[in-house]
Amino acid sequence: AQSVTQLDSHVSVSEGTPVLLRCNYSSSYSPSLFWYVQHPNKGLQLLLKYTSAATLVKGINGFEAEFKKSETSFHLTKPSAHMSDAAEYFCVVSGDSGTYKYIFGTGTRLKVLA
Amino acid sequence: NAGVTQTPKFQVLKTGQSMTLQCAQDMNHNSMYWYRQDPGMGLRLIYYSASEGTTDKGEVPNGYNVSRLNKREFSLRLESAAPSQTSVYFCASRSTGSGNTIYFGEGSWLTVV
Repeated sequence: AQSVTQLDSHVSVSEGTPVLLRCNYSSSYSPSLFWYVQHPNKGLQLLLKYTSAATLVKGINGFEAEFKKSETSFHLTKPSAHMSDAAEYFCVVSGDSGTYKYIFGTGTRLKVLA
Repeated sequence: NAGVTQTPKFQVLKTGQSMTLQCAQDMNHNSMYWYRQDPGMGLRLIYYSASEGTTDKGEVPNGYNVSRLNKREFSLRLESAAPSQTSVYFCASRSTGSGNTIYFGEGSWLTVV
């Protein structure tokens, strides 16, 4: 069965410093992995996705994530935080091949300090 | 370029009242979903529809019914609202391309008093 764990419920960084949001997953096969961002009172917007091509995935707004099979991780990074990055971030893993399920992490709230 | 559209965005109901959340997508996707989002619990699947005319229960279907009216529309109905159904509801649809990405609506904030 698939599962996903976001290791930090809250992360605070200063504007201009790097961002690291951590996600570990469990899957019995090679999954698809996603990061979504949710700004207050908004829906979830796709940041990036991994689908067994390149292990380093680049997304929108300068975010990227690296798929590490040996560590079962898919951490989200950004070199320099911007105030507009303050939001909640969700790591998502697709379900077993052929099913419709997506498993959502519980979210990491990113705070960016001026 | 609407994507997934949900209505209403905000609603307050009294316990026992009924209401329907509407959802439509213009991306020609086959699969559609209804999720609820509660603090600290991520998103939980209420119902899923693989295609027009088919629906399946998700993790938390009790108290809800759905209708897949056509390929575009997937509605969620609360027959007798309860305070435990106070939540944010998201409709989503899934692409059939690489990675099977799901796309979300803007959400519907429902309060049951």
